[in-house]
Amino acid sequence: GQSLEQPSEVTAVEGAIVQINCTYQTSGFYGLSWYQQHDGGAPTFLSYNALDGLEETGRFSSFLSRSDSYGYLLLQELQMKDSASYFCAVRDEQAGTALIFGKGTTLSVSS
Amino acid sequence: DVKVTQSSRYLVKRTGEKVFLECVQDMDHENMFWYRQDPGLGLRLIYFSYDVKMKEKGDIPEGYSVSREKKERFSLILESASTNQTSMYLCASIPSKLGEKETQYFGPGTRLLVL
Repeated sequence: GQSLEQPSEVTAVEGAIVQINCTYQTSGFYGLSWYQQHDGGAPTFLSYNALDGLEETGRFSSFLSRSDSYGYLLLQELQMKDSASYFCAVRDEQAGTALIFGKGTTLSVSS
Repeated sequence: DVKVTQSSRYLVKRTGEKVFLECVQDMDHENMFWYRQDPGLGLRLIYFSYDVKMKEKGDIPEGYSVSREKKERFSLILESASTNQTSMYLCASIPSKLGEKETQYFGPGTRLLVL
């Protein structure tokens, strides 16, 4: 079956750099997505990697290694507003374009 | 901007009631999904639809049904609400074209409490 593993919690201080890892198990792989969800809000798309390497979008970067079934989300120059849950996700093989999500990593940024 | 709206942000229902959760998207997306989100369990797929009148079961369809009479609208129905269906319900949509950036657009969610 498909599964994704990511740490449940990460804490950091403002200005720091944090890396949230995600390992996945899936027989048909299309790409790894990352979503951010603030408390009480909806998940919003952050990044997507279909090929190996690093994708950078401002303070956030996402990395993928297909051979290792591994990816990470890198958040730089952390701000208080980055406190949220972060989910990695892969395409659900049984459900076409639906996504299978990891259980989420809660990031707490303190001053 | 893609917009996905859900009929209610908060809902309180009694056990045994029939509950309708409505979702509407304005971007002509073919694919629509219903997830539920529970602490420690992440998001789990209940049902999805690739087209009008079409529906497929996700990972946890028991106790739910869906309706897709129009392309823009996807409804989740709890035939007889139970307390274990207390949860956050999230609707999402995505265009059908594969190879795109896999972005699912989520609605704001409906927090349902079943008493």
